[in-house]
Amino acid sequence: NAGVTQTPKFRVLKTGQSMTLLCAQDMNHEYMYWYRQDPGMGLRLIHYSVGEGTTAKGEVPDGYNVSRLKKQNFLLGLESAAPSQTSVYFCASSPSLGLWDEQYFGPGTRLTVT
Amino acid sequence: AQKVTQAQTEISVVEKEDVTLDCVYETRDTTYYLFWYKQPPSGELVFLIRRNSFDEQNEISGRYSWNFQKSTSSFNFTITASQVVDSAVYFCALSILTGGGNKLTFGTGTQLKVEL
Repeated sequence: NAGVTQTPKFRVLKTGQSMTLLCAQDMNHEYMYWYRQDPGMGLRLIHYSVGEGTTAKGEVPDGYNVSRLKKQNFLLGLESAAPSQTSVYFCASSPSLGLWDEQYFGPGTRLTVT
Repeated sequence: AQKVTQAQTEISVVEKEDVTLDCVYETRDTTYYLFWYKQPPSGELVFLIRRNSFDEQNEISGRYSWNFQKSTSSFNFTITASQVVDSAVYFCALSILTGGGNKLTFGTGTQLKVEL
């Protein structure tokens, strides 16, 4: 069981470039999430998905798009990167939307936009 | 609105000392869960403990213990006899139900450094 994996681990972009972050989970979880972590701000939810083919906005969705074409994959896209999107991005999954369920996190992707 | 406050930005202790990480939360919901996650230098967040809003019994699990007090909206986490491997960032998080499912609100984290 690999759990939650993220590709790539590191990336440097120039302002205006686009990229896609890939998250994959092998635990058959229905629910997946994308967070960003910035110094002094904890983790903030960007988008989430409650199942294949569905996505929803989180706390800070502007500048990002997501897709969940397959249950095991959750993609995060940046169409036109900005320096404000320099951050560490974490993907997570959970088996249900229950209050009690912990989320399983990937190792993170460190993105720098210059 | 929900909020989680971890007032301690950084704590340094010497190995074998006990250390308590503070967490104060705000919510109007009566049903919720509280979590502690650990983020070691490798970066990946790891689930540690959880507690629901109806159970104020404090527990001990190995070197970890937690103190949940609804009256003060606090969910503090204690590591007994700290070790260097405990060095990490610790996040407190609050889980409530919204129209789109459960929402996890994180605190800003406490960096724990355990030195020899």
